[in-house]
Amino acid sequence: QVQLVQSGAEVKKPGASVKVSCKASGYTFTSYHINWVRQAAGQGLEWMGWMNPNSGNTGYAQKFQGRVTMTRDTSISTAYLEVSSLRSDDTAVYYCAREGRILELPKGLDVWGQGTTVTVSS
Amino acid sequence: DVQMTQSPSSLSASVGDRVTITCQASQDINKYLNWHQQKPGKAPKVLIYAASNLETGVPSRFSGSGSGTDFTFTISSLQPEDIATYYCQQYEILPYTFGQGTKLEIK
Repeated sequence: QVQLVQSGAEVKKPGASVKVSCKASGYTFTSYHINWVRQAAGQGLEWMGWMNPNSGNTGYAQKFQGRVTMTRDTSISTAYLEVSSLRSDDTAVYYCAREGRILELPKGLDVWGQGTTVTVSS
Repeated sequence: DVQMTQSPSSLSASVGDRVTITCQASQDINKYLNWHQQKPGKAPKVLIYAASNLETGVPSRFSGSGSGTDFTFTISSLQPEDIATYYCQQYEILPYTFGQGTKLEIK
């Protein structure tokens, strides 16, 4: 079945970087964009950006420009999110999500990873 | 950015009730709107895509309608397992944006 499996929880100090992975299975990894969304405790969902796994092209929300990098390794069907210069307000659950389609109809975010908790604390 | 105004922010209803949530976009997003369900401690799950299409495996008591700027999500007969927070999300215009969520509780 189609699924996205993310790496485990991370604890980082302020100013450090974190890299979260998202391994795809059950479909052709390079055929669908991967998006990243985060959620602070008790808060709503915040879209961070997208990546085309085929070309490596990316697009980031203005808020995260310069601090977020999305990459991939097609040989292992894995996408990565790296966040640098971490602050306490980056403490959140980070999700990857596939952007699907059916025939020619875009489906939006149709498959989600299980989430990775990133805690930023001194 | 497209602002998604979702209402109500919370809702209490009885088992068997019909429940309706609305989402208004600040500009035309055609039909490119999803409704996601999120249960506590879990990842979101898409229920409705492209405003009115039921995702495979999702019970038929869930439905969606609308286009342009005004959208509606309906649960025809509320079940105990539907307790969750529901989010609308537009994917027509980057950056993609979410509504603030509707927390649904059983009365």
